[in-house]
Amino acid sequence: SYELTQPPSVSVSPGQTASITCSGDKLGDKYACWYQQKPGQSPVVVIYQDNKRPSGIPERFSGSNSANTATLTISGTQPMDEADYYCQAWDGSAAVFGGGTKLTVL
Amino acid sequence: EVQLVESGGGLVKPGGSLRLSCAASGFAFSAYTMNWVRQAPGKGLEWVSSISSSSTYIYYVDSVKGRFTISRDNAKNSLYLQMNSLRAEDTAVYYCARVIYCSGGSCYDGSDSWGQGTLVTVSS
Repeated sequence: SYELTQPPSVSVSPGQTASITCSGDKLGDKYACWYQQKPGQSPVVVIYQDNKRPSGIPERFSGSNSANTATLTISGTQPMDEADYYCQAWDGSAAVFGGGTKLTVL
Repeated sequence: EVQLVESGGGLVKPGGSLRLSCAASGFAFSAYTMNWVRQAPGKGLEWVSSISSSSTYIYYVDSVKGRFTISRDNAKNSLYLQMNSLRAEDTAVYYCARVIYCSGGSCYDGSDSWGQGTLVTVSS
């Protein structure tokens, strides 16, 4: 079955750039999206179709997807961005999630 | 405003059954493929099942095939998940979610709206 691999954790200082990767076989041939989930809350999509931001998502969130890796980049990371982040893609008829990355802003 | 509200979760014994519901409002429910996604305590997100807008295409993760049944009633703007033969490993918060883009039985994008989730606990 198809797998998406994320680093378990990423740390960043406030104001710096955070990058979270998501790796999967030929992931660049699929659309990747990214969700932010804060404790006790439902996931919120922050990037869809590789690099599109939904309305209401700050411009500091951006995405890219090429070859085998999708990347979520948060520029000028703020303390409020501390959360779990999940990538997701479709493999045929199944949606696949990465294992999640805990972003710590310190 | 798009709203998805799940209900029907609770405590059930192994081997038991539950039916989850998701009430949709604020959008043309009948036009969208819908997902059920679950999250075990302290764990990541896991896709469970999808149903296309007119129920033509239905898919499940292997671990629930033969035990769970997804359905929808477009007249009632409602999505359902019938869960039978429940196991301890089915314990999770279950979310319904709207898929951004699907076509011809295939989906290509994520989910832009999620409910608040309903907790299912399978324990004796």
